[in-house]
Amino acid sequence: NAGVTQTPKFQVLKTGQSMTLQCAQDMNHNSMYWYRQDPGMGLRLIYYSASEGTTDKGEVPNGYNVSRLNKREFSLRLESAAPSQTSVYFCASSEGRRNEAFFGQGTRLTVV
Amino acid sequence: AQSVAQPEDQVNVAEGNPLTVKCTYSVSGNPYLFWYVQYPNRGLQFLLKYITGDNLVKGSYGFEAEFNKSQTSFHLKKPSALVSDSALYFCAPFREYSGAGSYQLTFGKGTKLSVIP
Repeated sequence: NAGVTQTPKFQVLKTGQSMTLQCAQDMNHNSMYWYRQDPGMGLRLIYYSASEGTTDKGEVPNGYNVSRLNKREFSLRLESAAPSQTSVYFCASSEGRRNEAFFGQGTRLTVV
Repeated sequence: AQSVAQPEDQVNVAEGNPLTVKCTYSVSGNPYLFWYVQYPNRGLQFLLKYITGDNLVKGSYGFEAEFNKSQTSFHLKKPSALVSDSALYFCAPFREYSGAGSYQLTFGKGTKLSVIP
């Protein structure tokens, strides 16, 4: 009964370092999302994957890349971290627009 | 273009009083609208949705929402607030993009609800 699992939960990076945030869902959903949450900004969509093998940019894609490895997994990569990428990152999955999305517990990333 | 607006950053209400958290949307076609709640240091949880049919939808924890097509609003309501309802609430419509029948789930900036004992 895992739902959406994100790793890691916390991470501190130095400016210029790279890292990959992992996300996996066990609900056989086609759609998966990566959001960032900043105070007063709500959740902003970084990238979206409608199905395995497809990805699309969201509202704030600059500085990020994604991989939809298979139907279960959707990873987010920061190639060269910047302090502006300090945020809480959420992965989510859903099945169509008639159904609710399920969220992971989030990754709190600090770039110093 | 912004798909959703939550005009109030914060709403304060006394325990036992009714509460309303406002949301207006601007999406093309038939709207698919959701409300989510976020408790401190947690992920988002689904509350309720409007897809079609009755304009008043009921959801989890006694919450309901009224869809108003003419005012393009989807306000969240509860008849009697509890202290445990204090959280961050997000209105979220699906927004069509690329003009190809593809949809993205977008979020408002959120409204912090504080229920005062």
